[in-house]
Amino acid sequence: EAQVTQNPRYLITVTGKKLTVTCSQNMNHEYMSWYRQDPGLGLRQIYYSMNVEVTDKGDVPEGYKVSRKEKRNFPLILESPSPNQTSLYFCASSLSTLGGRVKAFFGQGTRLTVV
Amino acid sequence: AQTVTQSQPEMSVQEAETVTLSCTYDTSESNYYLFWYKQPPSRQMILVIRQEAYKQQNATENRFSVNFQKAAKSFSLKISDSQLGDTAMYFCAFMKRNTGNQFYFGTGTSLTVIP
Repeated sequence: EAQVTQNPRYLITVTGKKLTVTCSQNMNHEYMSWYRQDPGLGLRQIYYSMNVEVTDKGDVPEGYKVSRKEKRNFPLILESPSPNQTSLYFCASSLSTLGGRVKAFFGQGTRLTVV
Repeated sequence: AQTVTQSQPEMSVQEAETVTLSCTYDTSESNYYLFWYKQPPSRQMILVIRQEAYKQQNATENRFSVNFQKAAKSFSLKISDSQLGDTAMYFCAFMKRNTGNQFYFGTGTSLTVIP
């Protein structure tokens, strides 16, 4: 089954304790990205990747890091989490077909609370 | 920069009636896609409908259809024969093709279907 898998689904942590949210896709997609969702703000892009070892900042990258060492994995790293990073996080992967269509898949979301 | 505007934070509709959700966007791109995503209380992101900008014909998916006005940069979603299961948050989204397939989301419209 084609899917994007995020772990964990829920996480409560303390300020300053490094954490990683994993994201893995089984569709061999080149493009992957991370978003955070906050009430009244919709989803905003944190980072995106166009291929292995190719990553770039989105609209709200401060306080986050990513890596893309393998095509299937795109972890989101919070080196020193702060309460303003409490949010719902989504990972997405996609490809553009030769026929010009886009196929995009989202993970199930990770609810992060930083206290 | 791309922006997506959903001017209706909340809407309601009687069961079996029709409702239209508004979305406008701003871009200088010519090659892009537009999407409507549904987010039920489970927080899962579910694709409702997709429109390629180069296609003039409006997309339809069963009870869901769009009114795509490219010159006006408008992309509204019409839900016919509304059902209780349509109650959810709806996000309009814009995607630039191939430059990482980045999504830009609106702030969402919370739709309630009233029995």
